[in-house]
Amino acid sequence: EAGVAQSPRYKIIEKRQSVAFWCNPISGHATLYWYQQILGQGPKLLIQFQNNGVVDDSQLPKDRFSAERLKGVDSTLKIQPAKLEDSAVYLCASSLSSGRSTGELFFGEGSRLTVL
Amino acid sequence: AQSVSQHNHHVILSEAASLELGCNYSYGGTVNLFWYVQYPGQHLQLLLKYFSGDPLVKGIKGFEAEFIKSKFSFNLRKPSVQWSDTAEYFCAVIALDTGRRALTFGSGTRLQVQP
Repeated sequence: EAGVAQSPRYKIIEKRQSVAFWCNPISGHATLYWYQQILGQGPKLLIQFQNNGVVDDSQLPKDRFSAERLKGVDSTLKIQPAKLEDSAVYLCASSLSSGRSTGELFFGEGSRLTVL
Repeated sequence: AQSVSQHNHHVILSEAASLELGCNYSYGGTVNLFWYVQYPGQHLQLLLKYFSGDPLVKGIKGFEAEFIKSKFSFNLRKPSVQWSDTAEYFCAVIALDTGRRALTFGSGTRLQVQP
């Protein structure tokens, strides 16, 4: 079974530039999550989708971050403009369903962002 | 909102030593609990999980964890670690009776096993 795919694996940009990350979840997984993992910290939820609807985006900095999940499959996370403190690994995860979720998530390898 | 505390940030052990990593969560309702592991250069993967029933759960690679509801704890244990257990370990919780359906993670414990 194919896992969660993410790209790019690495990205270096200067502050105030924009960046986009792509995620393809496991086939059949209705729920998709974006987490931010800053060095030395645990993953922090940015946004959760159920199919193509947003379930939770309470911790997403909406002035600079946006995310979409077209057609309930792939998702894109965008940062514009980037700040130094956005340097982190952006993790995409998926699960079968959030409505009766057990909480078990399947993670991609992450996209490491460095903002200079 | 629920939170997770992992008090050991960095643990160094010799091979064959016993391991116990602490995890405490703050939420009074029903929870599911998880330990995830991230080996160097790899993605986060599930080590073990607790949903209900026997509070002692066994996972992959000889790991086990015990859920103690009265202490809000879910500590991870392994009787004898190997060099290949070198990784970062994350405890996570999901509160089942809230509207939030995503895992909350602790800050992680970096385990270094010396040969």
